[in-house]
Amino acid sequence: GAGVSQTPSNKVTEKGKYVELRCDPISGHTALYWYRQSLGQGPEFLIYFQGTGAADDSGLPNDRFFAVRPEGSVSTLKIQRTERGDSAVYLCASSQGGGRSLDTQYFGPGTRLTVL
Amino acid sequence: KQEVTQIPAALSVPEGENLVLNCSFTDSAIYNLQWFRQDPGKGLTSLLLIQSSQREQTSGRLNASLDKSSGRSTLYIAASQPGDSATYLCAVKDNYGQNFVFGPGTRLSVLP
Repeated sequence: GAGVSQTPSNKVTEKGKYVELRCDPISGHTALYWYRQSLGQGPEFLIYFQGTGAADDSGLPNDRFFAVRPEGSVSTLKIQRTERGDSAVYLCASSQGGGRSLDTQYFGPGTRLTVL
Repeated sequence: KQEVTQIPAALSVPEGENLVLNCSFTDSAIYNLQWFRQDPGKGLTSLLLIQSSQREQTSGRLNASLDKSSGRSTLYIAASQPGDSATYLCAVKDNYGQNFVFGPGTRLSVLP
């Protein structure tokens, strides 16, 4: 595709519910990143995939958060038992290489999650 | 743990002015540094990426410098235009991790 896409663009849910956020990276990009951005702050790293495997999940805040990338392209970020503090914009980025490469990251428009 | 700060938090200038945005990081063992632009409600757009061995990068009216030893980078914008209004974020990738650590951003307004 032309760029990184994310769906939905907006998600409103109630406290305690389960949500899934989807990211479609640029075709051929092996590296995929998830970030979370709160209002007035820079993005905060959550998890990084190289291919199908999570190479670094040190940014996931707790075990309610989980992400998969089963075929090495599309990724889904899953949040269980959502809390009001999970409200943020969730950004996805992809790059041709990853990790220690010098490839730039291309960001999607984000999914704005609101937990009521 | 790497920490990134940006000064000022917000800046408002008249059109045509040259301006400098500042970024500081606490651990100088960085792999690269990247400047991004973010428009309201949108994702991030990469502006310039500086490798740890480089001192500056230029693209059009933008020039980014890097001083690793002092833990600083600056983004220079020449002849600012209203279309430059956005939030500018710097991010560093250090030698230990594989992800970027972002600063909080500088919100720039260029007035016509």
